[in-house]
Amino acid sequence: DQQVKQNSPSLSVQEGRISILNCDYTNSMFDYFLWYKKYPAEGPTFLISISSIKDKNEDGRFTVFLNKSAKHLSLHIVPSQPGDSAVYFCAASVGGNEKLTFGTGTRLTIIP
Amino acid sequence: EAGVAQSPRYKIIEKRQSVAFWCNPISGHATLYWYQQILGQGPKLLIQFQNNGVVDDSQLPKDRFSAERLKGVDSTLKIQPAKLEDSAVYLCASSRGPTGAEKLFFGSGTQLSVL
Repeated sequence: DQQVKQNSPSLSVQEGRISILNCDYTNSMFDYFLWYKKYPAEGPTFLISISSIKDKNEDGRFTVFLNKSAKHLSLHIVPSQPGDSAVYFCAASVGGNEKLTFGTGTRLTIIP
Repeated sequence: EAGVAQSPRYKIIEKRQSVAFWCNPISGHATLYWYQQILGQGPKLLIQFQNNGVVDDSQLPKDRFSAERLKGVDSTLKIQPAKLEDSAVYLCASSRGPTGAEKLFFGSGTQLSVL
């Protein structure tokens, strides 16, 4: 039972354009959502998060949007840079604790 | 600040053999997790430690997997005997406490291939 889904295994975007990565969840108990970035041969690193009491959180070039009614969140990267090429995981938890349920990941490739 | 250290980096074994992975968390981090990441999937939680006690091992296949965290610092994860489906990257993560997912730090992982 995949409770967190990332339906796009890969995405290619031109440098300077907007990258939009999507994530859907099924468990209504999830109230905290995070995005992690993973480079090859490294562990995932925290990127940005959002609580269910918000619908948007912004940090520099990264913005996460949450649509609770649709159980959907998205990560926007503007402008996209070559260093953003990585695998991005969406993750969810209950109560902000660290027992995370991860999605399957989206491989983002930024084309120079 | 040193990160989460894991070893070995790679391990290749034959099915039915045993294998062990080691993790040294960030100094002062009380909570430690082991995750399994199968190719093409997201990391899946196997076990959570708080200091040297197990908090949650509900997703650990206990017939073949075991883990311990002696003295509340280093941890080892063992598989005995290994199966082909155990081929995955095993990630260790640590944090100061169980709440605050942004403060969770991952190691680089051990990539296990079972032939």
